[in-house]
Amino acid sequence: AQRVTQPEKLLSVFKGAPVELKCNYSYSGSPELFWYVQYSRQRLQLLLRHISRESIKGFTADLNKGETSFHLKKPFAQEEDSAMYYCAPNTNAGKSTFGDGTTLTVKP
Amino acid sequence: GAGVSQSPRYKVAKRGQDVALRCDPISGHVSLFWYQQALGQGPEFLTYFQNEAQLDKSGLPSDRFFAERPEGSVSTLKIQRTQQEDSAVYLCASSLAGAVAGPQHFGDGTRLSIL
Repeated sequence: AQRVTQPEKLLSVFKGAPVELKCNYSYSGSPELFWYVQYSRQRLQLLLRHISRESIKGFTADLNKGETSFHLKKPFAQEEDSAMYYCAPNTNAGKSTFGDGTTLTVKP
Repeated sequence: GAGVSQSPRYKVAKRGQDVALRCDPISGHVSLFWYQQALGQGPEFLTYFQNEAQLDKSGLPSDRFFAERPEGSVSTLKIQRTQQEDSAVYLCASSLAGAVAGPQHFGDGTRLSIL
């Protein structure tokens, strides 16, 4: 069965500190990997996708196929990064399985 | 359009009533998805359309749940004889992609409360 695990429900860091949001997945085949973000009172939106290898708002995500992980990282967290983050592998049929999310709080 | 539009934003119904939730995807988007999000959890897949064809309905929790997209654009999720456990936020997402996985664009969701 396809499964996504985000082990930290809550994560709190100080502004300027590095942050890493963990994601482990169990998936058959080779899924496309996405991170979505939901800021307060906004809709869920795409943060980044693995295949594009972009850095969005300073975030990057490295795929480790051996560990089946896709952790999200940012070297210097900002207060505006406070949000809910979801890891979401996506099969070729487009169907996504979401983790339960990590609430990131960046303190001033 | 501005994005995926869902209506109503909030719906309160008594147990046993039928409800219908509407989703207007981004124009031209081939794929449309419905998710159910319970409090404190991530979105759970319900069903997926490619144009008007419902290709996957494996996530629908019971035969009380029914979704359609008759003309390949607007979609309706219908829940019959609602139960309290149906209370959740129902999210709709659309994607330009067809068979190939692509990023999904989400609506604001419909918050359904069953009394």
